Parts: sequence; structure tokens; C-alpha cells
Amino acid sequence: NAGVTQTPKFQVLKTGQSMTLQCAQDMNHEYMSWYRQDPGMGLRLIHYSVGAGITDQGEVPNGYNVSRSTTEDFPLRLLSAAPSQTSVYFCASSYSWGVETQYFGPGTRLLVL
Amino acid sequence: KQEVTQIPAALSVPEGENLVLNCSFTDSAIYNLQWFRQDPGKGLTSLLLIQSSQREQTSGRLNASLDKSSGRSTLYIAASQPGDSATYLCAVYKAGTDKLIFGTGTRLQVFP
Repeated sequence: NAGVTQTPKFQVLKTGQSMTLQCAQDMNHEYMSWYRQDPGMGLRLIHYSVGAGITDQGEVPNGYNVSRSTTEDFPLRLLSAAPSQTSVYFCASSYSWGVETQYFGPGTRLLVL
Repeated sequence: KQEVTQIPAALSVPEGENLVLNCSFTDSAIYNLQWFRQDPGKGLTSLLLIQSSQREQTSGRLNASLDKSSGRSTLYIAASQPGDSATYLCAVYKAGTDKLIFGTGTRLQVFP
């Protein structure tokens, strides 16, 4: 199993540009989520999904959009990038919510100029 | 609001020492608590998960305890090694929500 994969590893954007961060898992996990990690603030939940076709907002959803058309994929879209979105983004997945270990991807480092 | 605090923020110790990392949380209504390890530039790796009904979990040289009533967890690392150098994060699943709340981590350096 490849586990949780994320692409790209690093991206530079200009303010106002849009892009999609890709996340895929091959473990047949129902639950997937996106976090951002900023210095001194820990990881914060952006959006999550409890299964294909079902998504919901986390702690910091503004400026981001998600969809879940398949069990395997959970892309994160930045609609109009802002410098405040400079961060490291992690995707995670698990069999279920609340009782199972979460598996994290390697992260995408995003710089918005 | 659930808040998770980790003390100390950084720790540097010689190889062989036994270590205790601390995690505290303000709301005892949790499903479980997890400890993660994060190497520089990498993702998170789950180390131990303690369900709310459990008191501790062990894996090799690692032992994590949970005192839900006092809002505390400790991660004990026995006979530390340079390979243990990493940032250690604790996180709690807040009951009644879909949120995993993270602490800001303890950065550990073990020198030979």
C-alpha cells in the first residue's frame, strides 16, 4: 500500500491564483481530512469527509473548497490564494472517526507571494 | 473551547535518559487521545492511541498514560536514542464533534 499520497510537494503561487492540492489513499478509508500547520499554532482542521459525497467544514474553512467524488480521492481547492494561506498542508485518513488511528500524508508546502 | 497544551516546547537531552513529555487539555469530554511523531519536513506518524476508557498504552520503549478527569496525558520514552529526535504532538478527539484538536508539540533532541 502507498498509504496517503499528496501532490505537489511544494508550490509557489501569486496572490489571486487558484490551485488544487491532491490527496489520495489506497486503504479504503471512509474518513479523510485536510489540516494546515503553521508555526506556533499546531495543526488546524480545514475540511473533512466521512465518505464519498459527504463533506463538512472544520475549524478554518474560509478560502478553501473540497469535494469527495470517490472513496480514494479528496482534493483541496484554493479559490483565490492569499499570503495568509502560506502554510504546510496535510491530508489524513482513517477507517472511522473517533476510535481509529489517523494516517497522514507527507504534506504540501505552499508559499503565496 | 477545547485547548491542548504541551510542555516543554523544546527539550534537549543526552542519549540514554528516560523522558517525560506532557500534554494537558481543558475539556475532559474526549473520545480518545493520540500521540504522534513528526520528523522535519515530514508528515505525522501515529505512536499511541488511548481510548477515553483506558489509562495507558505501551509500544516498545514508549508508554502513554491518560488521566481524563485531570485533563492530562504523559508520554514516557525509556532509554532515549538519537533516532528519537523529532517533534512529538498530542491530539484529542473532542466528544460530540468531528474535531481532532492538536497541541503545538514538543521538539525533542537526543544527542550522542
